[in-house]
Amino acid sequence: DTGVSQDPRHKITKRGQNVTFRCDPISEHNRLYWYRQTLGQGPEFLTYFQNEAQLEKSRLLSDRFSAERPKGSFSTLEIQRTEQGDSAMYLCASSREVASGNTIYFGEGSWLTVV
Amino acid sequence: QKEVEQNSGPLSVPEGAIASLNCTYSDRVSQSFFWYRQYSGKSPELIMSIYSNGDKEDGRFTAQLNKASQYVSLLIRDSQPSDSATYLCAVKESDYGGATNKLIFGTGTLLAVQP
Repeated sequence: DTGVSQDPRHKITKRGQNVTFRCDPISEHNRLYWYRQTLGQGPEFLTYFQNEAQLEKSRLLSDRFSAERPKGSFSTLEIQRTEQGDSAMYLCASSREVASGNTIYFGEGSWLTVV
Repeated sequence: QKEVEQNSGPLSVPEGAIASLNCTYSDRVSQSFFWYRQYSGKSPELIMSIYSNGDKEDGRFTAQLNKASQYVSLLIRDSQPSDSATYLCAVKESDYGGATNKLIFGTGTLLAVQP
């Protein structure tokens, strides 16, 4: 399978614990995105990497959230001191840099439940 | 705050009918528009992209764009029960010469195709 891969697919954690999600983008894609989606809402942008550089971060990404893409390949999203409001599906996506209209493809998502 | 508006539905159509899904957006200079399909519990799947005014057809799907009215729509011909899903409209945030690659999503329209 050459799509965007995310791991783990499901995570249940106690409030206050840290969690980390991993994303492996489509191999030739140099752009990587993280989105968050809660029930009944569309995905909300969190952050964006071009190669290893984090070029944009949403104000939704509080200090408890950190994302990395150390070698411009896979990425991790860590949430520290989780809160119940962090329960959501965390979506990773990737795209190729083209002159215009680069299409963004999503992975299957990582579901987080904070209890 | 740039916005994408969709009617949340549910939109119920009989099998074989045409389903019409609508979306308006607030960013006047956006150039790239996307329709994603999302089945319950799954991640968004790209159906159509459109960048120019007019119609773009792909199989049973037709995307329509009117930039002057800031309106984009998706028509699904010969609707099938398997088309029942939430359809998300997404607009790429305008660049203004910058590096943003953010997609702004609507909340989605739930389509129910009745057999």
